[in-house]
Amino acid sequence: DIQMTQSPSSLSASVGDRVTITCRASQGISSWLAWYQQKPGKAPKLLIYTASSLQSGVPARFSASGSGTDFTLTISSLQPEDFSATYYCQQANSFPITFGPGTRLEIK
Amino acid sequence: QVQLVQSGAEVKKPGASVKVSCEASGHTFSSFTLHWVRQAPGQSLEWMGWINGGNGITKYSQKFQGRITITRDTSANTAYMELSSLRSEDTAVYYCARAVGKTYFDYWGQGALVTVSS
Repeated sequence: DIQMTQSPSSLSASVGDRVTITCRASQGISSWLAWYQQKPGKAPKLLIYTASSLQSGVPARFSASGSGTDFTLTISSLQPEDFSATYYCQQANSFPITFGPGTRLEIK
Repeated sequence: QVQLVQSGAEVKKPGASVKVSCEASGHTFSSFTLHWVRQAPGQSLEWMGWINGGNGITKYSQKFQGRITITRDTSANTAYMELSSLRSEDTAVYYCARAVGKTYFDYWGQGALVTVSS
């Protein structure tokens, strides 16, 4: 199975800040990576697919890059609605599908 | 619009089985695969398996092989996930999710909490 790791595990930031979350795969997954945002008590929401493609309806302040084993998600200017959420990466290269442990984003 | 509506919360005793449903609307059921993903309290997401809405082919995570059965009823646009021999570690929110592209989950059900407790 492909193991996914994320850093940091949690992050405190302020409105307007730029933040970057890193995701690493235990083996190469080409660009088969997605990012999700999950708020407490809610289902995850797809933000990014194929490493860097923005899902329809997702604000342009979200961007992502990477290929192979190393990936990043960047939020260019944090908005209040981006906080109190956990961000997960997910590899889609092979089954079983696996997710990272998550990065919790909190307001400073 | 696409919607996935799941059945409600369940409380089960260890050793029992649970069956969660996921009714799809707003898309052609047979054109997509539906996956099941669970999330234990305070934990990350764990993929369990999928079913092809068109031909009914299934694929399961090795972790759940022998305990999980995913089925579908095309006349009702509904998929089902049954997990047997429940133990306390199976306490989690169970989500269904529609997959697109390589296997990205663009629509999710609201989740169904399954609690396993004696």
